[in-house]
Amino acid sequence: GENVEQHPSTLSVQEGDSAVIKCTYSDSASNYFPWYKQELGKGPQLIIDIRSNVGEKKDQRIAVTLNKTAKHFSLHITETQPEDSAVYFCAANYKLSFGAGTTVTVRA
Amino acid sequence: DTGVSQDPRHKITKRGQNVTFRCDPISEHNRLYWYRQTLGQGPEFLTYFQNEAQLEKSRLLSNRFSAERPKGSFSTLEIQRTEQGDSAMYLCASSLAGGGAHRSTDTQYFGPGTRLTVL
Repeated sequence: GENVEQHPSTLSVQEGDSAVIKCTYSDSASNYFPWYKQELGKGPQLIIDIRSNVGEKKDQRIAVTLNKTAKHFSLHITETQPEDSAVYFCAANYKLSFGAGTTVTVRA
Repeated sequence: DTGVSQDPRHKITKRGQNVTFRCDPISEHNRLYWYRQTLGQGPEFLTYFQNEAQLEKSRLLSNRFSAERPKGSFSTLEIQRTEQGDSAMYLCASSLAGGGAHRSTDTQYFGPGTRLTVL
C-alpha cells in the first residue's frame, strides 16, 4: 500500500513569512495529492489538490508542487496570517493515505 | 448547510457496548468514505461505498466493525463490543465520482467527525 511521510511535524513562522511542508510517497502509481487543513475539533478541509498531469498549482497564497520522479510534493503558504495556524495533512491516492500532519503556528 | 454531516458529534460508551454512527453525505455525491483518526495522527482509511455497494475495506476494519449504505444516501458505521482501542475520531467524507472508474481520483469533502470515547 501507499506510505506517505510528512515533514516537519511542527512549524512556527512569523506572520508574513512563508511556510513550506514537504511530503514523500512510496507508490509510483499514485496520481492524486490533496492537502487538508484541520482545526481543533473539526474535520479536515480541502485547501488544494494536484493531479499527476501537472507539476504546480496555485490558489492565491497557497501553492503545491509535485515531482513525480522523486515522488515528493510540497505545500507553500506565502504571506502567512494568524488564521493559517492549524494542522496540515498531505495525502496520496484515491483512498487517501495521509501523512502524520504538520502543526503550523503563525506568530503575530 | 449542504456539507457532510455526522451524528452524533460525541459518544461516550462503556467497553463491550455497541455503538452506531451516521453520516449524511453531500446530496449529489455517489461516493462515501469512512476514516478513523487517533490523536496526533492523520486519518486512516476504513472503507468506501459507491452508491450502495461497499467497494473496498481496510484491514483496519475488524469483524466488529460493519458499515452500510442501504439506499446509496446516508451511511452507518457500527462497532460491536467496543474496546478502549476503538477510541478515536470517526470521519466521513463524500465525493462525486464520474465515469464509474473504481479508483478515480475524485475530491473528498469531510464531515466534522464523531469522537468516540470508550471507557
